[in-house]
Amino acid sequence: GAVVSQHPSRVICKSGTSVKIECRSLDFQATTMFWYRQFPKKSLMLMATSNEGSKATYEQGVEKDKFLINHASLTLSTLTVTSAHPEDSSFYICSASTNTPNTEAFFGQGTRLTVV
Amino acid sequence: DAKTTQPTSMDCAEGRAANLPCNHSTISGNEYVYWYRQIHSQGPQYIIHGLKNNETNEMASLIITEDRKSSTLILPHATLRDTAVYYCIVRVNSNSGYALNFGKGTSLLVTP
Repeated sequence: GAVVSQHPSRVICKSGTSVKIECRSLDFQATTMFWYRQFPKKSLMLMATSNEGSKATYEQGVEKDKFLINHASLTLSTLTVTSAHPEDSSFYICSASTNTPNTEAFFGQGTRLTVV
Repeated sequence: DAKTTQPTSMDCAEGRAANLPCNHSTISGNEYVYWYRQIHSQGPQYIIHGLKNNETNEMASLIITEDRKSSTLILPHATLRDTAVYYCIVRVNSNSGYALNFGKGTSLLVTP
């Protein structure tokens, strides 16, 4: 199946700093990418949807100024957590889609963010 | 997207078939049934999907009832590496890149 690569897999940062997470589709062009967050023992929660070349659409309750999403090319989307707080510590996962009907979405391996 | 209901947890002995049920009684005619699984601290992995016919691939089989209100994912010979949370998701297939809405899933434990 198609490969989605997410980097870094694990990051620790200090409160108040910003962290960038990259999501790359390695062998297909991802018209749409999705960002999810997952807290311990909980399911994945959709944060935002990004389409290449346009602004991301954020889910209710997700601060767009705190979680900056850039989808500048068909193979790369980035999520930047700005002014990180300990409560932002979570597992962040990206997903990529080709927008072709009847195909599955592919997920990155996830990024474990710990804010200290 | 239609809501799904899955058991919270299940156990299965290694080498036996694991049958994971999913209820989706409000599914509409253009919604597909997708199954993903998530092994601890990894991103979800696609398993299989179908509309109304039964489907089989190298990982699993998907049995969808005739009225499409429920389905069963079958792992024919479960191994310890199949221990994971299994998510049943229904969604419309379109060219708009619909996100997947994850429920709580079924935590499958495969025991030696």
